[in-house]
Amino acid sequence: QVHLVQSAAEVKKPGASVQLSCKASGYTFTNYFLHWVRQAPGQGLEWMAIVNPSDGSTSYAQKFQGRVTMTSDTSTSTIYMELSSLRSEDTAVYYCAREERFLEWTTYRYNGMDVWGQGTTVTVSS
Amino acid sequence: QSVLTQPPSASGTPGQRVTITCSGTSANIDVYWYQQLPGTAPKLLLFRNDQRPSGVPDRFSGSKSGTSASLAISGLRSEDEADYYCASWADKLSVVFGGGTKVTVL
Repeated sequence: QVHLVQSAAEVKKPGASVQLSCKASGYTFTNYFLHWVRQAPGQGLEWMAIVNPSDGSTSYAQKFQGRVTMTSDTSTSTIYMELSSLRSEDTAVYYCAREERFLEWTTYRYNGMDVWGQGTTVTVSS
Repeated sequence: QSVLTQPPSASGTPGQRVTITCSGTSANIDVYWYQQLPGTAPKLLLFRNDQRPSGVPDRFSGSKSGTSASLAISGLRSEDEADYYCASWADKLSVVFGGGTKVTVL
């Protein structure tokens, strides 16, 4: 069975950094992209970042550029996201999710975020 | 960065058909739909505009035309009460979500 298991909840003070993890199992780790998506209390989904575990390449939402770093470890099938300079607005549930990309003729297409982690609650409070 | 616009709410009685729109999509970019039940992680409902993952009932259907996409729920059931989000790929390997639509079953 395919699973994405995320790290435990975190409580941080403003200005601190937090590192979240997401461990994949049940599939070939390098065959799927992995996203981080967050959801503030009572708000919608917000895309943050993506990593391609096959080559470690990443892409970040403009909003988080300079504050977020996403890495992957193929030896443990785990991805990590570090978010720095935390502020109260970063209080949210953070999810990881996988997505498959394939080449159709000359165009990349995607199969959607089909497996999600259970979410990690990050609370930023003084 | 594109912006996807959804109505904040939609409702219907059991058995009715409810349609949610997602405007602002790029004409040649696929749209995805996610369902989020209260207190749970989102779930992929439709991918590449109109494709249903295994296990998703055929009551859920999707379409896309130009810069707008739609999710239709036919035969509305109480368990369909949830938040629904559209999403699409944007510039430079990034993703954008719509603001979400809360569906209420009256």
